[in-house]
This record gives sequence, structure tokens and C-alpha cells, in this order.
Amino acid sequence: KNEVEQSPQNLTAQEGEFITINCSYSVGISALHWLQQHPGGGIVSLFMLSSGKKKHGRLIATINIQEKHSSLHITASHPRDSAVYICAVVYGGSQGNLIFGKGTKLSVKP
Amino acid sequence: NAGVTQTPKFQVLKTGQSMTLQCAQDMNHNSMYWYRQDPGMGLRLIYYSASEGTTDKGEVPNGYNVSRLNKREFSLRLESAAPSQTSVYFCASKILTVEKLFFGSGTQLSVL
Repeated sequence: KNEVEQSPQNLTAQEGEFITINCSYSVGISALHWLQQHPGGGIVSLFMLSSGKKKHGRLIATINIQEKHSSLHITASHPRDSAVYICAVVYGGSQGNLIFGKGTKLSVKP
Repeated sequence: NAGVTQTPKFQVLKTGQSMTLQCAQDMNHNSMYWYRQDPGMGLRLIYYSASEGTTDKGEVPNGYNVSRLNKREFSLRLESAAPSQTSVYFCASKILTVEKLFFGSGTQLSVL
């Protein structure tokens, strides 16, 4: 079974800091999602990537398929970035093969 | 576009009661999903529908049924609710296998 491990589980940062959240998985995948869950509970898809790197504003996601590892970086963090960040991997050909990590809870202090 | 609309937002049931969670998307997506989220665990797939007219079990299907009524709507039914089904439920949709997921706002369900 594919396991998805995220680290750290919890992260507290000061406003302006550079943040890295890591995701590791155990078997081959076709793609990886990064999601953001707001304190109110809503979930938003940030990135879907299968190779290389993607950037959107202050967010950068990278993936190394050979090392089975992905990172989400936040530059110049802001209190509004406080949320739970979830990694999810797509493996196999079935629509149902999406395994989620438990999430990383980020708190950015002003 | 409303995206993915999920109702209700909150529900309290007594053990043994039944209810249906409704989900509708207006993005012409083929695939729709029902997940549950429990404290300390990742989102877990209950059922999914790869296209209109098809449904398949996910990781935790016991105690649930689904209906893909048409391309827009995918409902989740609890026939006889149990306390173990207390959870937050999310509906999601996407066009193809390897595409971004769009989530509903969630349903917080408590079974007493």
C-alpha cells in the first residue's frame, strides 16, 4: 500500500519567513496534489504536478519522482497563509487511487 | 459558476436515522468523489464515480450508498447512521484522472 508521509506535522513561523513542507511517498505515482485547508474547513487545490516545479505567487511546489519526494515552499509568509497543507498522490490508473497525507498545520504569527 | 455545491453544511442524527448528502457541480466534470475526514487521519475515499452511470467503492464504503443521478449530481446516503460515521464529509470533482480536484465546502455530521 502506498503511504504518504508529511513533515512536519505542525509548523509555527514568524511573518516573512521562508517555509518548507515536505511530502514523501512509497511507490510510483503519476501525479501529486498540494491542497490547502482553511481554518473554516474549506479545501482548495493549490497545485497538481507530475514533474519539475510549479510556481503561483509566493507558493512553489517541486517534485522529484526518482526520490519519491515533493516540497511546498512559501516565500515571505503571511498570517493569511495559516492553514493545513495536504499532500495527495495519484497512483495506478484507477480514478479512485488518490492517497492523502495527514496534513501539515501551519501557523504564521505576525 | 458555483463550483461544487454540497448540502447540508451541518447535520445531527440519532443512531439508526437515515439521511442523504447532496453534491452538485456545474463545471461539466466527469469524475466525482465522496471523502470523509477524521481527526488525525488523511481524507479517505468512500465512493467515487468516474463518469455518469458508474460508481465504485473506495477505501471505506461500508454503511454508505451513492447515486450518480446525472453528470452534475452525486449523492451519498447513510441508510442507518452509526456513531462511527460522525465525521466531516467532502464532495469533490475533476475532469480527468490527472487534473486538479475541486472540493465542496464540507458537511459536519454528528451521529448521537
